[in-house]
Amino acid sequence: KQEVTQIPAALSVPEGENLVLNCSFTDSAIYNLQWFRQDPGKGLTSLLLIQSSQREQTSGRLNASLDKSSGRSTLYIAASQPGDSATYLCAVEGGATNKLIFGTGTLLAVQP
Amino acid sequence: GAVVSQHPSWVICKSGTSVKIECRSLDFQATTMFWYRQFPKQSLMLMATSNEGSKATYEQGVEKDKFLINHASLTLSTLTVTSAHPEDSSFYICSAYTSESSYEQYFGPGTRLTVT
Repeated sequence: KQEVTQIPAALSVPEGENLVLNCSFTDSAIYNLQWFRQDPGKGLTSLLLIQSSQREQTSGRLNASLDKSSGRSTLYIAASQPGDSATYLCAVEGGATNKLIFGTGTLLAVQP
Repeated sequence: GAVVSQHPSWVICKSGTSVKIECRSLDFQATTMFWYRQFPKQSLMLMATSNEGSKATYEQGVEKDKFLINHASLTLSTLTVTSAHPEDSSFYICSAYTSESSYEQYFGPGTRLTVT
């Protein structure tokens, strides 16, 4: 059974700092991995999707990497801003059912 | 981009009543829709997979007679929470998937259910 874990559970950084969020999964047979952002009481915003054949994806200040063999992904946020404060979730999709298995989330607070 | 809506965005109901939540794909046809539940400060847990025109597939531990899912068209899936209890209070989120979306699921904004 696929299990997805995110470390750290919570992170507080000063504005302008670069930071890395970690995601690990137990079954390397995945189709893709996605990173999402969730603001309090809101739905999900998709940030980046990495196909299993890809190593990384970039969007603006965000860069996500994928090492399928070791079951790890990282989300790098450059020059963090208070507006980046949210919960970040990673999710993996595997098998023929298109199911997404979500990680435990990292609550990020960027202090002005 | 693909847009998924949910209605209502929040609902309060009394214990023992039923409530229906709608999930619509607004600008694409969704062959598959998923329903998730999220308790406070927890991650999303998949409840069921809904394919248009067929019965939903429920995850282990999810009562199919309590959480009725109907996917009658390629743009609409509904989740009905029957005989709701306070422990059913949660944030319910749907997502929609199409084979044309390069494996990406598009998520609705969620529905906050409070059972009193």
